[in-house]
Amino acid sequence: GQQVMQIPQYQHVQEGEDFTTYCNSSTTLSNIQWYKQRPGGHPVFLIQLVKSGEVKKQKRLTFQFGEAKKNSSLHITATQTTDVGTYFCAGPSTGNQFYFGTGTSLTVIP
Amino acid sequence: ETGVTQSPTHLIKTRGQQVTLRCSSQSGHNTVSWYQQALGQGPQFIFQYYREEENGRGNFPPRFSGLQFPNYSSELNVNALELDDSALYLCASSFRFTGDLNEQFFGPGTRLTVL
Repeated sequence: GQQVMQIPQYQHVQEGEDFTTYCNSSTTLSNIQWYKQRPGGHPVFLIQLVKSGEVKKQKRLTFQFGEAKKNSSLHITATQTTDVGTYFCAGPSTGNQFYFGTGTSLTVIP
Repeated sequence: ETGVTQSPTHLIKTRGQQVTLRCSSQSGHNTVSWYQQALGQGPQFIFQYYREEENGRGNFPPRFSGLQFPNYSSELNVNALELDDSALYLCASSFRFTGDLNEQFFGPGTRLTVL
């Protein structure tokens, strides 16, 4: 079946450092979505990318969808303590299924 | 807040029992998806309901079943509970016109513990 892997699994950064998580799917995705889940919370939608090579920015967050639509990345510039949480990529699959990636847990050290 | 509510927040059951979890979708949404999230893992897609019909299913056995009602609220039923069913169960609502799922709004989840 389809697999969506993310690296790294964990990342500890000093506040102010940059952070990047990478997402790789075993199959081509029609779109990719990113979610953030705070400790003890539920996933919260961040963004959706649809086009091959698409890049979108939200303040300090930059999202990119690969040319082959099988990979994506999320980059956070100058992390803040409010960025703490687990970041998941996710996307639809054939048969109206939906897969979440394995997630990257971000810890920001003040 | 997303406007998606789930009940109960916590539940303890014993192996072999049956459980029903409930979800109230955000107003105007016509699609609800259910996910199982084990501790330290990503959400696993159970199934999706669109206009009261199951519209997609993940790799879960038939003892996981669901319903979507005309008001777009939904239930997840799990029969013959097993210890491995202990997890956070999340429902997510979205509006689907055609094509793939778009932005999903998650509820706070139901924490199920099976003893």
